[in-house]
Amino acid sequence: DQQVKQNSPSLSVQEGRISILNCDYTNSMFDYFLWYKKYPAEGPTFLISISSIKDKNEDGRFTVFLNKSAKHLSLHIVPSQPGDSAVYFCAASLKANAGGTSYGKLTFGQGTILTVHP
Amino acid sequence: DAGVTQSPTHLIKTRGQHVTLRCSPISGHKSVSWYQQVLGQGPQFIFQYYEKEERGRGNFPDRFSARQFPNYSSELNVNALLLGDSALYLCASSLRSGGAGQYFGPGTRLTVT
Repeated sequence: DQQVKQNSPSLSVQEGRISILNCDYTNSMFDYFLWYKKYPAEGPTFLISISSIKDKNEDGRFTVFLNKSAKHLSLHIVPSQPGDSAVYFCAASLKANAGGTSYGKLTFGQGTILTVHP
Repeated sequence: DAGVTQSPTHLIKTRGQHVTLRCSPISGHKSVSWYQQVLGQGPQFIFQYYEKEERGRGNFPDRFSARQFPNYSSELNVNALLLGDSALYLCASSLRSGGAGQYFGPGTRLTVT
């Protein structure tokens, strides 16, 4: 049961343009969402997060949008740079009062490979 | 400040052997979580420990076990290794037991032959 899905395995973007990475989830008890970037042979690096009480969070070139009714979130990178080329994972965690023993568990999507061309 | 550290970086084991992976959290972090990432997939949750107690367990067999020490470092043990256990094992630390604020180490690449 894949509760967090990233349906696009890969995305190719020109340098300077916008990159939009998408993520869908099925569990309405998720209340905190995170995006991680991962280079080969390294662990995931935290990028940005959003609580379910918000619909947008911005940090520099990165903006995350949350649409709770559609159970959809997206990560916008503007402008895209070649150094942004990596695998991007979205992840979700449960509400404290619903998570039980899974409160600290992050559920990840399959990842999207972003390639930014110079 | 140092980030999350893991050891060893790589190791190769034979089917049936056991392995111990180690993780040191960011200073001040009391929670350590373990994840398994196989090629082409996102990390899968194995365990979470907070204040030296197991707080969560993923859908992994009993061959997988872990513990957290008084200094908040952690070990992941896997017994009776199978070929399918070949993966990148990631450790994440956080201040609290929730899902927010988890920072990952570089991982240990385990190959079972």
